[in-house]
Amino acid sequence: KQEVTQIPAALSVPEGENLVLNCSFTDSAIYNLQWFRQDPGKGLTSLLLIQSSQREQTSGRLNASLDKSSGRSTLYIAASQPGDSATYLCAVRGGWGGSRLTFGEGTQLTVNP
Amino acid sequence: DAGITQSPRHKVTETGTPVTLRCHQTENHRYMYWYRQDPGHGLRLIHYSYGVKDTDKGEVSDGYSVSRSKTEDFLLTLESATSSQTSVYFCAISEGTGTEAFFGQGTRLTVV
Repeated sequence: KQEVTQIPAALSVPEGENLVLNCSFTDSAIYNLQWFRQDPGKGLTSLLLIQSSQREQTSGRLNASLDKSSGRSTLYIAASQPGDSATYLCAVRGGWGGSRLTFGEGTQLTVNP
Repeated sequence: DAGITQSPRHKVTETGTPVTLRCHQTENHRYMYWYRQDPGHGLRLIHYSYGVKDTDKGEVSDGYSVSRSKTEDFLLTLESATSSQTSVYFCAISEGTGTEAFFGQGTRLTVV
């Protein structure tokens, strides 16, 4: 069974800091990994999708890396802003789960002005 | 934004009654998913569909059934609602296994 773990569960940083969120998964035979953002009471917003053949993807201040063999991904947020405050979720597809998306429990990020 | 509409957005129902939640998409995507989100459990897959009339169970499928009679609609039915099914339900769509998944805004269901 695929299991996804996100560390830390919560993170509080001052504005302007660069930060890294971590995601690990147990079955490395994945198709891809996707990072999402969720604001309180809202749905999930897709941030980045990394295919299993890729090492990283970038979108603006966000950079996601993938090391499939070790079952790890990181989401790097540069120059954090209060508007980045949200819960960040990673999800993997493939391996045991096939076409299913298996989620971690998320990292709750607070960026303080 | 991907064209996904969940209805209703909020519902309060009584224990023992059947409830149907609807997910409607305008993207013509093949895959559709139903998840529930609960504190301490994250997002858990209930059922998913990989085509019209093709569905499969997820990790928390007991007490739920689904139907997909046309590409754009994926219905989730709680056959006899229980308090443990109080949750926020999310629908997701994806064109294929190699493409992004997009989520609806969620349905908050309370079973009293």
